[in-house]
Amino acid sequence: DTGVSQDPRHKITKRGQNVTFRCDPISEHNRLYWYRQTLGQGPEFLTYFQNEAQLEKSRLLSDRFSAERPKGSFSTLEIQRTEQGDSAMYLCASSPPTSGRSEQFFGPGTRLTVL
Amino acid sequence: AQSVTQLDSQVPVFEEAPVELRCNYSSSVSVYLFWYVQYPNQGLQLLLKYLSGSTLVKGINGFEAEFNKSQTSFHLRKPSVHISDTAEYFCAVSAAYSGAGSYQLTFGKGTKLSVIP
Repeated sequence: DTGVSQDPRHKITKRGQNVTFRCDPISEHNRLYWYRQTLGQGPEFLTYFQNEAQLEKSRLLSDRFSAERPKGSFSTLEIQRTEQGDSAMYLCASSPPTSGRSEQFFGPGTRLTVL
Repeated sequence: AQSVTQLDSQVPVFEEAPVELRCNYSSSVSVYLFWYVQYPNQGLQLLLKYLSGSTLVKGINGFEAEFNKSQTSFHLRKPSVHISDTAEYFCAVSAAYSGAGSYQLTFGKGTKLSVIP
């Protein structure tokens, strides 16, 4: 399977701990996106990379959140000093150079539970 | 900025009956429109998209949607549902221009479709 992969699929942590998630996009997809989905809501945009450049960040991405895509391939999303309100599904998506806004391919998500 | 309203949070329907899931959007610029499906504990899968051209769009699994610009709607329909269609469906919109914010998808809150045997 060559779809978007995310690791881990589930993460349980205690409040105040740091967590890091990884996303591997579809090969040759130059655009990568992070979304957050809380219970009963649709996904909300967090941030967007084109190659290694982080071009857009949502106001939802507080200073405790940081995302990187150092070589323009995989990306990491780190949350420092986690809070219970950070509990959510974190979704990664990617899109190829040619489709841009026309389709984003989503991974299975990482479900974070903060105790 | 764009916003999406999905008018029904839950829709129960009997197997082999038709279904319509409603979606309205708001935007000050032209938009692209999407319907995604999410099965339990999985990511989102694209059902269909409207970028331009014909306002009736056909997608996978027998779904179709019609873009109505005057009513700012993009309702999803299927003439005969199956048990396997039980899932959550999300309507999404993005701005149809090049520039800041145009790559973000804005989603509705979702509609849970339950197909009853």
